[in-house]
Amino acid sequence: DGGITQSPKYLFRKEGQNVTLSCEQNLNHDAMYWYRQDPGQGLRLIYYSQIVNDFQKGDIAEGYSVSREKKESFPLTVTSAQKNPTAFYLCASRVVGQPNTEAFFGQGTRLTVV
Amino acid sequence: AQSVTQLDSHVSVSEGTPVLLRCNYSSSYSPSLFWYVQHPNKGLQLLLKYTSAATLVKGINGFEAEFKKSETSFHLTKPSAHMSDAAEYFCVVTPLRNNFNKFYFGSGTKLNVKP
Repeated sequence: DGGITQSPKYLFRKEGQNVTLSCEQNLNHDAMYWYRQDPGQGLRLIYYSQIVNDFQKGDIAEGYSVSREKKESFPLTVTSAQKNPTAFYLCASRVVGQPNTEAFFGQGTRLTVV
Repeated sequence: AQSVTQLDSHVSVSEGTPVLLRCNYSSSYSPSLFWYVQHPNKGLQLLLKYTSAATLVKGINGFEAEFKKSETSFHLTKPSAHMSDAAEYFCVVTPLRNNFNKFYFGSGTKLNVKP
């Protein structure tokens, strides 16, 4: 089945540590996105990528980094510079060049700082 | 500029009664509009989308939405709520020109269904 896989489902981070969230898709989509979700705030865009080896900052990129070395993969690193990383993180993908198409979402990773 | 306003953060209905979740949008260009549903600790699932083909859009699980350009609205409705409809719903807009690869999300509406 085609889809987006995020791992792990739950992740615990100690203060000062970097952690990497995985996102893999087999939908052959060019565009991939990372969102952060906090209660009552909807989804906020962290980074997005429309093509391999290229990515753009979203609205809340500070303290995060990404890479896009393969079309299928768009990992997100939460660095120690992110002061409040506890949140639910969602990865999405979409076809590029067809504006009427929807985004497909993974099942999310819940990150907690301990 | 693009933005989405979901007018109610929480909606509570009784099972078997109609559901209305309100969404207003602002877009510099003709938009594509979407409704997604999210169950707790899950990803977002597409309910329906408007792509300018027809103003009344039917989606999954008996939901539908009507695009009203004059009111810049895209309200989600269902004739009869079911307990399994309890979830959070997001209205999303993508402009058809410029940055059409970016989505703009409303802040969400939590639907509670009472037995």
